[in-house]
Amino acid sequence: DAKTTQPPSMDCAEGRAANLPCNHSTISGNEYVYWYRQIHSQGPQYIIHGLKNNETNEMASLIITEDRKSSTLILPHATLRDTAVYYCIVRVVNAGNMLTFGGGTRLMVKP
Amino acid sequence: NAGVTQTPKFQVLKTGQSMTLQCAQDMNHNSMYWYRQDPGMGLRLIYYSASEGTTDKGEVPNGYNVSRLNKREFSLRLESAAPSQTSVYFCASIGGMGYEQYFGPGTRLTVT
Repeated sequence: DAKTTQPPSMDCAEGRAANLPCNHSTISGNEYVYWYRQIHSQGPQYIIHGLKNNETNEMASLIITEDRKSSTLILPHATLRDTAVYYCIVRVVNAGNMLTFGGGTRLMVKP
Repeated sequence: NAGVTQTPKFQVLKTGQSMTLQCAQDMNHNSMYWYRQDPGMGLRLIYYSASEGTTDKGEVPNGYNVSRLNKREFSLRLESAAPSQTSVYFCASIGGMGYEQYFGPGTRLTVT
């Protein structure tokens, strides 16, 4: 699986958009970009994934650059409950393929 | 539909004791995983089972054994616990499409 690079921490004001970047310059053509988050002491939670098109769901939007070497997770209206560690992971979609978690970005949403 | 369940939630062991962490999923998923998470760190894969009857080592398998009892259950055993195994242990499963990995609530293990 390709390696990812994320900033260790970010702050965001409550109600504003949180934009979390991820670099994955060695991503290969069949690898998807996944985002998970982990709220304090809980198990990680799936947020969104994509291959090359931008994706949106009820939680977030995922913007992937045209060359697929980086992506941005957008939380459109961050709330205090979005304070968590956010993990960007790239992997081939395969039922037996595990997730490799890096350090992630610790997002602090402030009132 | 309970998702992924883990027992126990908390456990304290003395060095050298053994125990088994239990994990079960009710989503009919083929693949199951055991991770550990040390304080302030990301998750590291211990073992995984791509399908019933198969198990494979992950990044940090030493000191652990696993059993895929059936499609629903995947247990993790510590034969002789060491203080370095103090951690939070998460079980997870993944469905046929491989898009989402579902995690259990974790087992907080302290070895003294």
